[in-house]
This record gives sequence, C-alpha cells and structure tokens, in this order.
Amino acid sequence: EVQLLESGGGLVQPGGSLRLSCAASGFTFSYYDMTWVRQIPGRGLESVSVISASGSNAYYADSVKGRFTISRDNSRNMVHLQMSSLRVEDTAVYYCANSKGGYDSWSGYSDYWGQGTLLTVSS
Amino acid sequence: DIHMTQSPSSLSASVGDRVTMTCRASQSVRNYLYWYQQKPGNAPKLLIYVASYLESGVPSRFSGSGSGTDFTLTISNLQPDDFATYYCQQAYSGPPTFGGGTKVEIK
Repeated sequence: EVQLLESGGGLVQPGGSLRLSCAASGFTFSYYDMTWVRQIPGRGLESVSVISASGSNAYYADSVKGRFTISRDNSRNMVHLQMSSLRVEDTAVYYCANSKGGYDSWSGYSDYWGQGTLLTVSS
Repeated sequence: DIHMTQSPSSLSASVGDRVTMTCRASQSVRNYLYWYQQKPGNAPKLLIYVASYLESGVPSRFSGSGSGTDFTLTISNLQPDDFATYYCQQAYSGPPTFGGGTKVEIK
C-alpha cells in the first residue's frame, strides 16, 4: 500500500523557519519526481516545488523562490521542504505527492498524495 | 504560467443527475490535463488522466473530454459519494497549475 506521511507542520512566527518532511513507502521512491503542493484552507491548490527523482534538479514557484528548499534522501525514502523567511501568506496545508507524466521537466501530475500537514504563520 | 479557469465555481444537483463542468487553459496544454476530486479534510484524488483516461478504481460514471484549451468533466448518474470539489490541473508546462475548483453540492 502506498503511503506518504507528512510531518513538521505547526505554528511559526513571520520571518521564522520550519522544515517539513515526508516519509514514503509502498512504491519505488527513487523512480519518481516528488512535489509539495499547498492549499490555503478553503481555497485552491498551488504547486510549490518539485524535485527530480535523482535529486539533481529542483523547481520552485515564484512565490517561494529563494525562501524554500526542497531536498530528498532516496536511501531513506524521504523528501523535505525547508522553509525560511516565512510569511503569513504561506499559511496552508502542505501536501507531499509524487509527480509524473508531465510534458516538460517540472510539470507533472500526482496519483499518490499524503494527508497533508498544516503550517500556520502568525504572530 | 498557464492559467486554468474552471466553471461553474459551484453547482447544485440531485442524486441521479448528469453533471458537467468545464476547465479552460490560457494556452494549449494539448491533452496534459488531469482531474481530481477532493472532499473536506482529504487530499485530492486523481480521477482522470491525459484528459480522458479513467484512473484505476474510479467509477465509469466519470468521464473526461477535450484537448488544447477546453476540457470537460462529466459525472453521469450523480451519487451521494460524488458531492465534493473537483479540480483540473495542467501538466504541460511548469509550474503545474490548477483550476480554482468546482464544488458540487446537494440540491
């Protein structure tokens, strides 16, 4: 059974930092690009970042570029999102998901999703 | 970035109805168009891939069509389990972008 389990969410002050983690199981993790997608409660979905299967390439939404860093550890089937200089508008549920089948190197769709972890940025 | 527009933003329907919703891309995404269903408190669930192919395990009352910039998701014989929000997503050009969603509510 495929499982993606996010952790690390919580309450942080504006300007602060936090690291989200996602533990994968039930599929060959190292074969897949992985992505973080966020959703402001009651709102739509935004792709935040994607990392290639090998970890050699990463892409970021303009809204987080320079503040967020995605990484992965294929030996431990983990993907991480290091977030710094956090803003109130980063408040959202963050989903970890696989990314596959896109036409170019950082587009893709997801058929495996975690349950999400809530990040709240507030003073 | 490619902008995805879904309409309507919400609709009311009854069990047994046929429901259609649309997704329009700001430029051609060929057939790299995907549909998800999301229920409150849950992650999105993939329903349709490459515009018209049904994901394994998804009931056949769901169908997708379209190519280029205009796409449609149809639910025939709406069931109680289908009341949810539906999102389209393009995977043609990064960053992948989602539509704003269509919420299907009980009439």
